[in-house]
Amino acid sequence: QVQLVESGGDLVKPGGSLRLSCAASGFSFSDYYMSWIRQAPGRGLEWLSYINTRGDTIYYAASVEGRFTISRDNANSFLFLQMNDLRVEDTALYYCARGRINGAADERLDPWGQGTLVNVS
Amino acid sequence: SYELTQPPSVSVSPGQTAMITCSGDALPKQYAYWYQQKSGQAPVLVIYKDSARPSGIPERFSGSSSGTTVTLTISGVQAEDEADYHCQSADSSGDYWVFGGGTKLTVL
Repeated sequence: QVQLVESGGDLVKPGGSLRLSCAASGFSFSDYYMSWIRQAPGRGLEWLSYINTRGDTIYYAASVEGRFTISRDNANSFLFLQMNDLRVEDTALYYCARGRINGAADERLDPWGQGTLVNVS
Repeated sequence: SYELTQPPSVSVSPGQTAMITCSGDALPKQYAYWYQQKSGQAPVLVIYKDSARPSGIPERFSGSSSGTTVTLTISGVQAEDEADYHCQSADSSGDYWVFGGGTKLTVL
C-alpha cells in the first residue's frame, strides 16, 4: 500500500539546522509532486513547500523561504527538507504528503505520513 | 498573504447535518480540498476539487462551492465524525497553497 514515513525530527537550539526525510513506498514516486506541511502544537496546518516530479519547480511559503530547502531523490523514493536558521516558532509536527500525479490539474494531498516532531528550544 | 477563513467550531447532534464553510477571495478560481484530522492522527483527504469524494470516504461527506465560499457538508453525522476539518486551496496564481485555520466538529 501507499506509505510515507518521515524521520529526522529532533530537539535543536535556535539557529540550528535539521534535515528531515520522507521515505515513500507503494507507488511510483517519480510520477508525483510532493509537499511538506507542518502543524504547531494545538494549531492548524501550514503548507510549507512543494516540489514537482523533476525537482525543477519548487515553491515555498513566505515563512520558510530562504531558510528551508526541499529536494527529492527519485532513484531511492525519498523527499527531504533541509531546515536552517531554525526559530522557536518552527516547533511543530512536520508531515510529508503526496501531491498530484504529473500532468493532472488536481492539488490534493493524499496520503500523508504520520509526521516527525521538530522542537526548537 | 492569502488566507482561507473557517469557523473555529461547529457542534451538531448525531444524525443531524453539519456544514463547515471556508471563505477565500481566490476560491472562484481555485479548487478546494478538505481534510479530516482525528485526535493524534494525520489528516485524511475527504473531498477534492470542491466536490469529489475519494474512494473509501462515506457518501455522507459532500462538498459544494459558491462564489468565494466552499462548504463541507456531513449528512447524518455520526460520533466517529468528531474531528478537526481543514480546507486547502491556492492563491490566485496557483503557485502558493494555504490551509484554513481548521474547524473543530463536536458531536453532542
